Amino acid sequence: SQTIHQWPATLVQPVGSPLSLECTVEGTSNPNLYWYRQAAGRGLQLLFYSVGIGQISSEVPQNLSASRPQDRQFILSSKKLLLSDSGFYLCAWGWGETQYFGPGTRLLVL
Amino acid sequence: QKEVEQNSGPLSVPEGAIASLNCTYSDRGSQSFFWYRQYSGKSPELIMFIYSNGDKEDGRFTAQLNKASQYVSLLIRDSQPSDSATDLCAVARSNDYKLSFGAGTTVTVRA
Repeated sequence: SQTIHQWPATLVQPVGSPLSLECTVEGTSNPNLYWYRQAAGRGLQLLFYSVGIGQISSEVPQNLSASRPQDRQFILSSKKLLLSDSGFYLCAWGWGETQYFGPGTRLLVL
Repeated sequence: QKEVEQNSGPLSVPEGAIASLNCTYSDRGSQSFFWYRQYSGKSPELIMFIYSNGDKEDGRFTAQLNKASQYVSLLIRDSQPSDSATDLCAVARSNDYKLSFGAGTTVTVRA
């Protein structure tokens, strides 16, 4: 069976600091991978998706970036965090249109 | 106009009753429809999906799709306290790997 991991689970960072969130998937090959953000009380916003190694599509212009260095690894980064980057960051994997979410990382930028 | 719209609720139903959740979408090219459940502080979990017009049943859940009316619904029979959560509607175009999510309907099952 497939499993998706995210870490860290929670993170408190000062404004202007860098960010690196990691997501890995087990039990499947060549999955589609996604990064979403959910602000408090808001819906899911798709940030990036990837259909293969090194292939990243950005949905929202912002100070975040994503990379896929390995088939089942997806990384979300920022060089300088903003207060507005606070939220619940969710990684998902999928085949076709169906997506399955990881446990998420809760980020608070102070 | 939002791509996917849901009534935010809260939808309060007594235990054992039927909960009915509605979702409308704007893109007529949409082909795949999903319902996810999100408990407070947790990530979304897939409840079920539907691709064809009509009803699809899975245990206590029934998804209903009407592409002509651009409408998808979720019926929850015999509502339980464990159904107290936010249910999210999501829509995808054919061969498109991206989902558009509604903001979710918060369901509260009262004893």
